[in-house]
Order: sequence, then structure tokens, then C-alpha cells
Amino acid sequence: QVQLQESGPGLVKPSETLSLTCTVSGDSIRSYYWSWIRQPPGKGLEWIGYIYSSGNTNYNPSLKSRVTMSVDTSKNQFSLKLNSVTAADTAVYFCARALMVGDLFPDWFDPWGQGTLVTVSS
Amino acid sequence: SYELTQSPSVSVSPGQTARITCSADALPKQYAYWYQQKPGQAPVVVIYKDSERPSGIPERFSGSSSGTTVTLTISGVQAEDEADYYCQSADSSGIVLFGGGTKLTVL
Repeated sequence: QVQLQESGPGLVKPSETLSLTCTVSGDSIRSYYWSWIRQPPGKGLEWIGYIYSSGNTNYNPSLKSRVTMSVDTSKNQFSLKLNSVTAADTAVYFCARALMVGDLFPDWFDPWGQGTLVTVSS
Repeated sequence: SYELTQSPSVSVSPGQTARITCSADALPKQYAYWYQQKPGQAPVVVIYKDSERPSGIPERFSGSSSGTTVTLTISGVQAEDEADYYCQSADSSGIVLFGGGTKLTVL
């Protein structure tokens, strides 16, 4: 079955760029949408955005100015960059496969990676 | 865009029925999805497309929709069902929304 694993630095300094990679195993990254979702400690889930294997993206409007997602089909990986981070960006970051019900946009997420905690602190 | 509103907490005794609601503040509403999240774990979908149950999810989990409110019902709650539950949907431009989450406590 499909498995996802997040990787990247657990500590990022304020104003710098957070960079994470999600490695997909058990299936090809092609022909699916892939998403990043985060969860601040003790709080709820926040969708960051998704990317199609062709590179098409859709981002949360509240984060759009700071987010870049990319995909590397040769490595079966997709990545997240979030720039100009502050303490408010401290969260567990999950990657997930995004699945479609209709024809236009992905609708839901399954499976998810285990998540990785990123702390923004000097 | 719109918001999804969940009550912060629900408490039930084992064997009782738990109902967790999620209300949208605007129409039209797309399908809703429900995720269960236990401490330190990633969310797992328990209901998709308002009322469909993925394979491997116990039959005691069910979903329904009426107007702008969707409901997750857990019949015969067990101690292992204690978790946070999140509803999720999307607007017509593909922007994904999560509800604030409901903490289910099994007394």
C-alpha cells in the first residue's frame, strides 16, 4: 500500500525558509495530487496546498504568498518550501495523497504520513 | 470561501451513541469527510463523501448530511474511539477547509 514519509530540518530560524520533502513508496507519484497539511501544537488541522504530478498547484490563500510546492517524479518525492517563517509556523507538518471525487479538484486525503515537527526558533 | 464549525467536545459513556456535527456557514456545500486523530498519530479517514465508510473502518461509524450540516455518528462507542475528529470539505475553487475539531471523550 502507499506510504508517505516526511523529512527535513526540525528547527528553522525566524525569517528563514522551511523546507520539507515527502517520499512516496508503494505506488507511483504520477497521476495523483499530493498535499501538505499542518497542525500547530494542541491545535487543529490547516491545509497548506496541493500539487499534481504535472506540477499544477493550488495553495491556501492565507499562505499563498510564502508557499512553493514542487514534485520530482524521478525520485517519487514532492516538496514544500515556506519562506519568511515565524513562531506561528511551528507545527507538525503532514504530507498526504489527495484524492478526487469529481473532475476538477481533489477532495480528501488518504493516506497521510506520520508527520514531522518543525519548530521555528532562534 | 466558508467555514466549518464543530462543537469543541462531546462526551459519552461506553456503548452509547456519539454524534458529532459539522456546520457550514454558506452554500453550496461540497461532500464532507471525517478524520479520526489519536494523540501523536496522523489523521485517518473514517467517512468519505458524506456517508461512505472506507474498508477497515468499523460499521459503528456512519455519516449523514442534511442541509448545511453533516453528522458523524458512532454507535456503541468503545474506549478506543476516544480521539479528536475533524470534518473537512472544499469550496468550488478547490480550497480545502477543516473544521476546528471535536474531542470525543469516552467516560
